Amino acid sequence: AQTVTQSQPEMSVQEAETVTLSCTYDTSENNYYLFWYKQPPSRQMILVIRQEAYKQQNATENRFSVNFQKAAKSFSLKISDSQLGDTAMYFCAFGSNSGTYKYIFGTGTRLKVLA
Amino acid sequence: DTGVSQDPRHKITKRGQNVTFRCDPISEHNRLYWYRQTLGQGPEFLTYFQNEAQLEKSRLLSDRFSAERPKGSFSTLEIQRTEQGDSAMYLCASSSSEYNEKLFFGSGTQLSVL
Repeated sequence: AQTVTQSQPEMSVQEAETVTLSCTYDTSENNYYLFWYKQPPSRQMILVIRQEAYKQQNATENRFSVNFQKAAKSFSLKISDSQLGDTAMYFCAFGSNSGTYKYIFGTGTRLKVLA
Repeated sequence: DTGVSQDPRHKITKRGQNVTFRCDPISEHNRLYWYRQTLGQGPEFLTYFQNEAQLEKSRLLSDRFSAERPKGSFSTLEIQRTEQGDSAMYLCASSSSEYNEKLFFGSGTQLSVL
């Protein structure tokens, strides 16, 4: 069974600074997807960024980028030029390609951006 | 695209009562998911549908829980004989059948069992 681990329950960063959130996962599959979702205090979850496991190039979306290390089963999220609106819970998630399409989420990292 | 909608937003019930939640996915999405989230935790998978077929259920889903998706459109999640441990946010999400398309989440239904 797949597992997703986020070892940083809370983090804070000064506005305009850079912060990195960590995620590790465990799977025996070779093809899968990894995601970072953001859940602001209003609680509606939205996708931040997605990475296909078969791609070596790290995904980027504006200020958000990932460091995907497939052999180490590591998938960290880097937020550059942090903004107050980035304050939220961040969840790492694993998407299987084994015929089941459920997504497994980590326990989350609460990020607070300080003015 | 009107997004995923869930109803009600909040539900307070007494232990032992039955409750039902509704989820309306994005209209062109054929996959629908139910997750449960407790405070400070990540979403836990409960079940998912492809069209009207319920393809997978978590072991978390006891026999007091049942979910349906008639005609592959909206879905309902019913909890019978609620217990205090059922108190949580129940999230619905939908996606298209394109391989691992991103999930679109609703705002959730917050259940409090007294």
